Amino acid sequence: EADIYQTPRYLVIGTGKKITLECSQTMGHDKMYWYQQDPGMELHLIHYSYGVNSTEKGDLSSESTVSRIRTEHFPLTLESARPSHTSQYLCASSVAGAAGELFFGEGSRLTVL
Amino acid sequence: DAKTTQPTSMDCAEGRAANLPCNHSTISGNEYVYWYRQIHSQGPQYIIHGLKNNETNEMASLIITEDRKSSTLILPHATLRDTAVYYCIVRGAFSSNTGKLIFGQGTTLQVKP
Repeated sequence: EADIYQTPRYLVIGTGKKITLECSQTMGHDKMYWYQQDPGMELHLIHYSYGVNSTEKGDLSSESTVSRIRTEHFPLTLESARPSHTSQYLCASSVAGAAGELFFGEGSRLTVL
Repeated sequence: DAKTTQPTSMDCAEGRAANLPCNHSTISGNEYVYWYRQIHSQGPQYIIHGLKNNETNEMASLIITEDRKSSTLILPHATLRDTAVYYCIVRGAFSSNTGKLIFGQGTTLQVKP
């Protein structure tokens, strides 16, 4: 079983609110990722990190931001949520080096009214 | 990273083998073939990966053609719980994008009683 956790699993909030989606892993993985997925659609990489103090934007432009102050923690923040941010956000981690499999969390489903 | 092509959907009878094809005609020598599946919008789950030899684990077998331009994921005895979207992904082992997985549309496998 993968030890990667996301909270909250479900969140319904109003427009303009600031939200933080939490992601933690206890496997000591250096690499962590955030994917965004709309219902029935593909997963799109929005952020990734190769280690502490390292963050990069992914292939899909996102208004969210991330931080990596500790190895095990990779939170995603939206400063001012909008209905267009309604989606599922999936966090993943992997070991460093070649050909490492990704372990995914259960996802955070965000609805912005 | 090489692009992959998969059928949009497939059906399989419960208890029978499910054979999911994937074309990756532009794959290069150091790129691996990965398979993941996603059950009902949960986080994707790693299944198997390979470079050029056939691989087998407790979940599935991966058959890669000799020219490496296509592969087949085999679930030997499909159950209803194997109903999911299956993603075939090709990723370079030592590319600058190491760790990033680009998910396509995948194949929706429906296992029927």
